[in-house]
Amino acid sequence: DTAVSQTPKYLVTQMGNDKSIKCEQNLGHDTMYWYKQDSKKFLKIMFSYNNKELIINETVPNRFSPKSPDKAHLNLHINSLELGDSAVYFCASSQTRRSGGTIYFGEGSWLTVV
Amino acid sequence: GESVGLHLPTLSVQEGDNSIINCAYSNSASDYFIWYKQESGKGPQFIIDIRSNMDKRQGQRVTVLLNKTVKHLSLQIAATQPGDSAVYFCAENIGGATNKLIFGTGTLLAVQP
Repeated sequence: DTAVSQTPKYLVTQMGNDKSIKCEQNLGHDTMYWYKQDSKKFLKIMFSYNNKELIINETVPNRFSPKSPDKAHLNLHINSLELGDSAVYFCASSQTRRSGGTIYFGEGSWLTVV
Repeated sequence: GESVGLHLPTLSVQEGDNSIINCAYSNSASDYFIWYKQESGKGPQFIIDIRSNMDKRQGQRVTVLLNKTVKHLSLQIAATQPGDSAVYFCAENIGGATNKLIFGTGTLLAVQP
């Protein structure tokens, strides 16, 4: 069974569209994350939720809106997509919100904006 | 897949040799460090971690060394195998109430058969 699963794996869309990426974890973890990896492989945190509560919100355009319907799901909605949003988006989870909890990543969602 | 023009630091080793991947971290307050392995087309995979009250930790074929004086972390892989070929990231956690990882730039390990 996949621990952290995200869909879709590949997404090609036009500028200006709105799209969502879904994430689910079956590890029983309390904390979930979204990370963005750019074309240079640089990984940066975007958001973190703990039990549906937003706890990390990095400097991300407000076109990006995470939604956590329950602690096992954290979806990422992106409005008015721009070319610069093209990247790989990784969902992740950890048992704890505190420092030291191992973070497990999903397989990534490749977003290409044309 | 890899992007055109992507230039990651690369370590090329022969199969069976030992590999050492180095990482400099930025925050002296960081209290937890992790090494991740990322294969092409996949997500980062946890390899080994170490807390700031330790200077060495061993796993299966891997060892992490932490030098807090110079803010340096290294990953040693013994008897490197072709399956070890991947991009390796170190990450630091600045600690406190949030589990926020700051990733390094990544090193591409290329294992030659």
